[in-house]
Parts: sequence; C-alpha cells; structure tokens
Amino acid sequence: QKEVEQNSGPLSVPEGAIASLNCTYSDRGSQSFFWYRQYSGKSPELIMSIYSNGDKEDGRFTAQLNKASQYVSLLIRDSQPSDSATYLCAVSSGTGRRALTFGSGTRLQVQP
Amino acid sequence: GAGVSQSPSNKVTEKGKDVELRCDPISGHTALYWYRQSLGQGLEFLIYFQGNSAPDKSGLPSDRFSAERTGGSVSTLTIQRTQQEDSAVYLCASSGQPELSGANVLTFGAGSRLTVL
Repeated sequence: QKEVEQNSGPLSVPEGAIASLNCTYSDRGSQSFFWYRQYSGKSPELIMSIYSNGDKEDGRFTAQLNKASQYVSLLIRDSQPSDSATYLCAVSSGTGRRALTFGSGTRLQVQP
Repeated sequence: GAGVSQSPSNKVTEKGKDVELRCDPISGHTALYWYRQSLGQGLEFLIYFQGNSAPDKSGLPSDRFSAERTGGSVSTLTIQRTQQEDSAVYLCASSGQPELSGANVLTFGAGSRLTVL
C-alpha cells in the first residue's frame, strides 16, 4: 500500500462546476496535510495546508480533513480552465522525519 | 535570492558518466530537500537537510547518489555512474523554520531535467 494515494484521473469537469479531489494516507500519526498544484512542465506550488479536522476555505478552494478516516480532499468551486493541472496531495509523516510524502497526483481538466 | 534556483535546467549525459546538480535555496531557509519526479509520476523523496543536523538520506535509491550542503546554504546532488533509470526531473525545495505542527511549507525550484542516454 502506498503511503499517500490519489486517483490519477484525469478528472474532467465543465467550467463553473465544483471539482472534488481526494487523497487517502496510511500513516495514522500524520499531522500536516498539503495540496500542491503542478502545471505541465512546471514545479509544484502550494495551494492549501490543513492541520486539524474539518474544513479550511481560501477563496475558491476548500480543504477538508478527516483524520479518523485518513482522508483529505480539495474542493475547487467555480472551476476555471486555468485550474487544469495536476494536484498533488502531500502528508507530513508522524515518525519525526519532516520530509513530505507526496501522492502521485490527480490530473484535472476543466472543459470551457 | 528571491526563489529556489537550480542548475542546470537540462542535462543530457551518457550512461556511466557522473553528474552534479546544484540547488541554491531561498536566503535564510534552514531546510533543503531533494525530490525526483519521473515522467507522469509523483515526487519521490531523496534527501533532507535541516540546519546543522545530520541529513535524512533515507530516500536515496542507491549508493551512486549522494548530496552535500555547504555552509548551510547551497546543495549539490551527485549521481555517479548514471543509468538510464536515473532519467527524471530533480526538484529541490527549501523551507523556513518548522511550524508547530512539525512540517515545513516547501517552495520548489524549477527543477533539473536529467536525461541519460
């Protein structure tokens, strides 16, 4: 079992719709959770961080964390073609090593 | 500097040759990470430096890979006797002081694309 799992996609949504991206992780001691966006040929950039159960909203983005279910998600409201990218879920290990463990990413396509 | 700087941006080498990849982190950032990303794949952790502590080398795939960080700033990733499976984009990231949660927020460089023929 991979430490951080994501559906590779592509996830295709029409412009203006809500895109829902999901991630599960195996280390129950994980403490910090991040969503990075990576455009093709570019390096990842941080979108959201979340540390406690519940929802965290930032503009059109909402991160949701459920530690009991070991599940973190990212909702993108009013999706735009410019949101088309690969979204990487990253988790901080609970073992003391601070390096982030990344999922393989979900490719999102927003159709105009 | 204003961002994480990596060089070279592209490197083509022949199998068996050694390569060096350089990373210049954001000024003042204490933590530096190396990841690699193969085509269509996620990020694979390689090595992590934090201040003057011993680096976490647990992600290095073989003893052909090594990295050093001089003066707590610039880092060099060295791959000896390169193999075709080493072909990937090598990403460097840096971060400031750890947050209370224990995890750092990473800023990535543009990456070094390595192609081994």
